[in-house]
Amino acid sequence: QVQLVQFGAEVKKPGASVKVSCKTSGYTFTSYDIHWVRQATGQGLEWMGWMNPKSGNTGYAQKFQGRLTITRNTFISTAYMELRSLRFEDTAVYYCARRIPCGADCYSFDSWGQGALVTVSS
Amino acid sequence: SYVLTQPPSVSVAPGLTARITCGGNNIGSKSVHWYQQKPGQAPVLVVYDDSDRPSGIPGRFSGSNSGNTATLTISRVEAGDEADYYCQVWDSNTDQGVFGGGTKLTVL
Repeated sequence: QVQLVQFGAEVKKPGASVKVSCKTSGYTFTSYDIHWVRQATGQGLEWMGWMNPKSGNTGYAQKFQGRLTITRNTFISTAYMELRSLRFEDTAVYYCARRIPCGADCYSFDSWGQGALVTVSS
Repeated sequence: SYVLTQPPSVSVAPGLTARITCGGNNIGSKSVHWYQQKPGQAPVLVVYDDSDRPSGIPGRFSGSNSGNTATLTISRVEAGDEADYYCQVWDSNTDQGVFGGGTKLTVL
């Protein structure tokens, strides 16, 4: 079965960077885009960016341009999200999600990781 | 950027029908997806492409989309349906994902 596994929690100081991993299994890693979504405590879902694991092409929400990098290691079917220059307001649960096609100009997030909590604290 | 608007909360008694709306400019021209999120858990896709259900999702969940409003309908609501629900589209103009603000469904 399709699985996206994210490990643990991180505590970082303001200004630091964090790199969150998303290990996939149960499907061909290079066949579907991986997206990253975050959720601050008590808040809604916020889309951050995407990566095509086959080509390495990426796209980022305007809000995160210059601070966010999404990469991958195809040998271990793992995607990574690195966020730099962390701020207190970056404290959130970070999810990876697989995006699949569902028709013409239709894509949905059918599988999600369990999330990784990143806390930014001095 | 494209904005999706959801009511913050919807309440319904067990056995009745809940309707959660998602408003957006000409949203009827887009494919709308709905996710259910229970406390402490990752979101789960419950409706995709306006009205289709992934395998394993009960037939009580259905969706529609027309004009400026998409709607998630949950029939014969059960206590286990209590959760936050998010609508989502892909904004092809900016090539970015967009989520609605979420609706908390309370089963009375």
